[in-house]
Amino acid sequence: EVQLVQSGGGLVHPGESLRLSCVASGFTFRRYDMHWVRQATGKGLEWVSTAGAAGDTDYLDSVRGRFTISRETAKNSLSLQMNSLTAGDTAVYYCARDGRSGNFDYWGQGILVTVSS
Amino acid sequence: IVLTQSPGTLSLSPGERATLSCRASQIVNKNYLAWYQQKPGQAPRLLIYDASTRATGIPDRFSGSGSGTDFTLTISRLDPEDFAVYYCQLYGGSPRYNFGQGTKLEIK
Repeated sequence: EVQLVQSGGGLVHPGESLRLSCVASGFTFRRYDMHWVRQATGKGLEWVSTAGAAGDTDYLDSVRGRFTISRETAKNSLSLQMNSLTAGDTAVYYCARDGRSGNFDYWGQGILVTVSS
Repeated sequence: IVLTQSPGTLSLSPGERATLSCRASQIVNKNYLAWYQQKPGQAPRLLIYDASTRATGIPDRFSGSGSGTDFTLTISRLDPEDFAVYYCQLYGGSPRYNFGQGTKLEIK
C-alpha cells in the first residue's frame, strides 16, 4: 500500500523558516518524481515544487529562490525547506507522488503552515 | 495555460447525472488532463487521468471525456458520497502543473 506520511509545519512569523518532510512507503521511491502542492484555506490547489527521480527540480515562480525541495533516496524521504516565509505562504501543504502522466496519484495527509505575526 | 471550470457550484440530488466542465485557454498537450475529488478535511483523490482513464479503484459511474481545450467529468448516477469539490488539472505549461478553480457539487 502506497503511503505518504508528512511532518513539520506549524506557526511561524513572517521572514522565518520551516522544513516539511514526507516519508514514502509501499513503492520504489527512487523511480518516481515527487511533488509539493498547497492549498490556502477555502481556496484551490496550487502546485509548489517538483523533485524529479533524475535529480531535477522545479518551482512555482513565487517560491523560487525561497523554497528548496530535496529528496533522500536511502530514507525514502522528500523535504521542502521554506525560507523567508510570508503570509501568502499560509496553506495546507501536501506531498504527492507523480502519476506518470503529469498527475498526482497518491497524496499525503497534508500539513498546515501558518505564517502570521 | 488557464483552466476554467464550470459551473462554480452544481446542485443536484442523489441518483441524478452530473456534468462538470473544464476549459483550457490553450490546447492541452497529449490530453494530460486529470480530475480530482476533494472532501472537506481530506487530501484530493485522483479520479481520472489522461482525460478519460479511471484511476485505480474509481467506480465506473465516473467518466472523463474531451480533448484539445474542452474536457468533461461525468458522474452517471450521484451517490451521496460523491458530493464534494472537483478539480481539473493539466500538465505542460507555465507553471508546469495547473489546477482549475474547482466545482462544488452540493446536495439539492
